[in-house]
Amino acid sequence: AQKVTQAQTEISVVEKEDVTLDCVYETRDTTYYLFWYKQPPSGELVFLIRRNSFDEQNEISGRYSWNFQKSTSSFNFTITASQVVDSAVYFCALRDNYGQNFVFGPGTRLSVLP
Amino acid sequence: GAGVSQSPSNKVTEKGKDVELRCDPISGHTALYWYRQRLGQGLEFLIYFQGNSAPDKSGLPSDRFSAERTGESVSTLTIQRTQQEDSAVYLCASSMTSGGSYEQYFGPGTRLTVT
Repeated sequence: AQKVTQAQTEISVVEKEDVTLDCVYETRDTTYYLFWYKQPPSGELVFLIRRNSFDEQNEISGRYSWNFQKSTSSFNFTITASQVVDSAVYFCALRDNYGQNFVFGPGTRLSVLP
Repeated sequence: GAGVSQSPSNKVTEKGKDVELRCDPISGHTALYWYRQRLGQGLEFLIYFQGNSAPDKSGLPSDRFSAERTGESVSTLTIQRTQQEDSAVYLCASSMTSGGSYEQYFGPGTRLTVT
C-alpha cells in the first residue's frame, strides 16, 4: 500500500527565514511520481512540482527547491527567504504508475509571520 | 475556461435530502478524482475514474455516495439522504494518464453544508 507521511503538522517562521517541509513516502512500485501542492487560505489547491522516480535530480525554482532522495524515500521542500504569501497548507502526494493510487499526505500548515 | 470547474460552489441542504455535485474536468484529461476535505483536515480520497470507468470505489464512505462520469468528461457525485457529517468541501481533480504530465489539477471545490 502507498503512504505519504508529513510529520510536521504546523510550522511557524518569521519572514525571510528558510524553512523545510518534510515528506516521506512508502511504495512498492519501482515507477512512481511525487508531487507538492499548495493550498492557500483561499482554498484552491495549486500544483507546484512533479518528480519521477527515475529522476533524482534536485530542482530549484526561484525561492523553492526540492530534494528527492530515493535512499531515504524522502521528497523534501525548502522555501528560502520565506514571505507572508507563502503561508498555506502544503501537501505532498504520491502517484503509482497507473494513476489509480494518488495518495496525499496529511499536509503541513506553514505560517510565515511578518 | 482551461481549468477544472465545479458547481455549485456552495450548497446548503437539509439533513435527509439528496445532493448532486458536478465536475467539469480539463478537456482531454482522462483521469478524474473526487476528494473530500473536512475543515482543517487533509484530502480524503473518494473515487477515481479512468475514462468513464471507476476501477476503485473503495474510498466512497457509504452506499449513500455514488458517482458517475459520462463522455469521458463531466462527472457527478451524488450523496443521498445527507447527514451532518457529510458537511465538507468536495474537490474534483483531473489529470492526463499519458505523456508524463500526471499532476492533478484541482477545481475550486463545492462547499456542502448539511443543516
